[in-house]
Amino acid sequence: GQNIDQPTEMTATEGAIVQINCTYQTSGFNGLFWYQQHAGEAPTFLSYNVLDGLEEKGRFSSFLSRSKGYSYLLLKELQMKDSASYLCAVIGGDYKLSFGAGTTVTVRA
Amino acid sequence: IAGITQAPTSQILAAGRRMTLRCTQDMRHNAMYWYRQDLGLGLRLIHYSNTAGTTGKGEVPDGYSVSRANTDDFPLTLASAVPSQTSVYFCASSDQGPTDTQYFGPGTRLTVL
Repeated sequence: GQNIDQPTEMTATEGAIVQINCTYQTSGFNGLFWYQQHAGEAPTFLSYNVLDGLEEKGRFSSFLSRSKGYSYLLLKELQMKDSASYLCAVIGGDYKLSFGAGTTVTVRA
Repeated sequence: IAGITQAPTSQILAAGRRMTLRCTQDMRHNAMYWYRQDLGLGLRLIHYSNTAGTTGKGEVPDGYSVSRANTDDFPLTLASAVPSQTSVYFCASSDQGPTDTQYFGPGTRLTVL
């Protein structure tokens, strides 16, 4: 089975930086996704990591360490619209996507 | 381009009734998926289809069935609904398989009483 852990909630101030950690224990590994989900809406794609290292895309960056079973999503220059849930999802050896429970980020003015 | 559509948007259903949730995509994606999302548990895979004519079981398949007669449609059927199936159901699709980005439909909120 898959075990994916991420914090339940985080709060940060507008303009600040927040780092959302995700640790995973899976039977095999074929990639890790981060999705954003606003309340009442569908998840939308943010990033995909399959090799170790940092992937940067505008204000969002995602990091992966396969040996440590660890990833983080970095949100810079936080805006009010970044208030959402952030979902870490791992493709295991069975090529099925398993999601963590999500981290709700609240951005305060 | 609509992407993925789901119907109905929401539904209240009596326990024991049969219900089919509809999902249609216009992106010609090969793979499609059904998830349920419950508070505190995240998204859980119910069934998937890697290509038209094939289906597979996910993490929580019991009580659900799917079919994939063509590329565009992937209906999810609850043969005899139970209250524990109260959830938000999301359909998703990806171009070739799970290593490709999955695009999600708007979801169906189902309440079983």
